[in-house]
Amino acid sequence: SQTIHQWPATLVQPVGSPLSLECTVEGTSNPNLYWYRQAAGRGLQLLFYSVGIGQISSEVPQNLSASRPQDRQFILSSKKLLLSDSGFYLCAWSKGTYNEQFFGPGTRLTVL
Amino acid sequence: AQSVAQPEDQVNVAEGNPLTVKCTYSVSGNPYLFWYVQYPNRGLQFLLKYITGDNLVKGSYGFEAEFNKSQTSFHLKKPSALVSDSALYFCAVRDYTGRRALTFGSGTRLQVQP
Repeated sequence: SQTIHQWPATLVQPVGSPLSLECTVEGTSNPNLYWYRQAAGRGLQLLFYSVGIGQISSEVPQNLSASRPQDRQFILSSKKLLLSDSGFYLCAWSKGTYNEQFFGPGTRLTVL
Repeated sequence: AQSVAQPEDQVNVAEGNPLTVKCTYSVSGNPYLFWYVQYPNRGLQFLLKYITGDNLVKGSYGFEAEFNKSQTSFHLKKPSALVSDSALYFCAVRDYTGRRALTFGSGTRLQVQP
């Protein structure tokens, strides 16, 4: 069966510090991968998606970037965090473009 | 552009009563529709989906959803609510073309009272 991991689970970082969140998927190959941010426990905003190694599409301009160095690894990064980057970050995968997405447990990021 | 509306921020229902969480959508062409549930500080869990075929879709934990093309709705239902169903529910949609990712509604908090 497939599983998706995210770490760390929680993170507290000062403004201006760098960020690296990691997501890995097991039990499948060539998944579509997604990064979402959820603010205030409600709506999800798609940040990035990837259909293959090195292929990243950005949905909104922002202070963040994403990379996919391996087939089942997706990394969310920032060089300098802003207060507005605080939130709950969710990674998801799907097999193909039209199938349901499966979400990881999330990372709670607090920028102080 | 595709969009999803969940008109109720919160739905309250007594345990054992039927529940409905509403969702309406707007897409170009035929939609793919999904329901997810989120428990506090957790990721989203997939409940069910509509792609094509029977308008009544059955999913996990006794939930079902009814696709209504004329009303562009995909309401989530359960015949008998449990206290453990209390959570945040999201409807999502994507169309056959264009964006590769889902568009999510703003979420509806379901509170089941014992």
